Amino acid sequence: AQSVTQPDIHITVSEGASLELRCNYSYGATPYLFWYVQSPGQGLQLLLKYFSGDTLVQGIKGFEAEFKRSQSSFNLRKPSVHWSDAAEYFCAVGERSGFQKLVFGTGTRLLVSP
Amino acid sequence: DAGVIQSPRHEVTEMGQEVTLRCKPISGHDYLFWYRQTMMRGLELLIYFNNNVPIDDSGMPEDRFSAKMPNASFSTLKIQPSEPRDSAVYFCASSLTKGDRGRRGASYNEQFFGPGTRLTVL
Repeated sequence: AQSVTQPDIHITVSEGASLELRCNYSYGATPYLFWYVQSPGQGLQLLLKYFSGDTLVQGIKGFEAEFKRSQSSFNLRKPSVHWSDAAEYFCAVGERSGFQKLVFGTGTRLLVSP
Repeated sequence: DAGVIQSPRHEVTEMGQEVTLRCKPISGHDYLFWYRQTMMRGLELLIYFNNNVPIDDSGMPEDRFSAKMPNASFSTLKIQPSEPRDSAVYFCASSLTKGDRGRRGASYNEQFFGPGTRLTVL
């Protein structure tokens, strides 16, 4: 069964500093990969996705993620964090077999310090 | 488009009462998902529908939970009777199947989430 690991439960970053959130997956083949963000009291919003092609994908709000097949990773990055980026971030994987289920990681809560 | 709409946004009820959560997916989407989010268990998929037909309900915790999708624009998640351990945020999401050009027969979805219903069972 596929699984997603987000090893960091909480991360604190100073405003203006760079950010990297880790995501590792376990799956027999390359799945579809997603990053979602959840602001307090809100639903999940898609930041970016990887299906195929260029392994560096750009998303909304200045985020990017890089797919590394050899490491089974899909880490999320942002060069300069803003206070409004404080939220919870979820990595998710979906099968390519035609099924529509997504498996979500446990999330990483990002705190932004002044 | 208004996005996925859920109602109510907050629900407080007493143990033993019936609770009905409602969802209106994005128009034209062919998949609808119900999730539950708790601190202890994270985000769990409860059930999903394709073209109004339930496909996988293996995540439904027990018989007290039921979900229906009578038409393409409406779905309900019902809990009867409710228990305090059902307290959680329930999300509805919808998606539109798109073909994967890189692989014949494959498809992918991009799920759009509603704002959630925060359920508290006293």
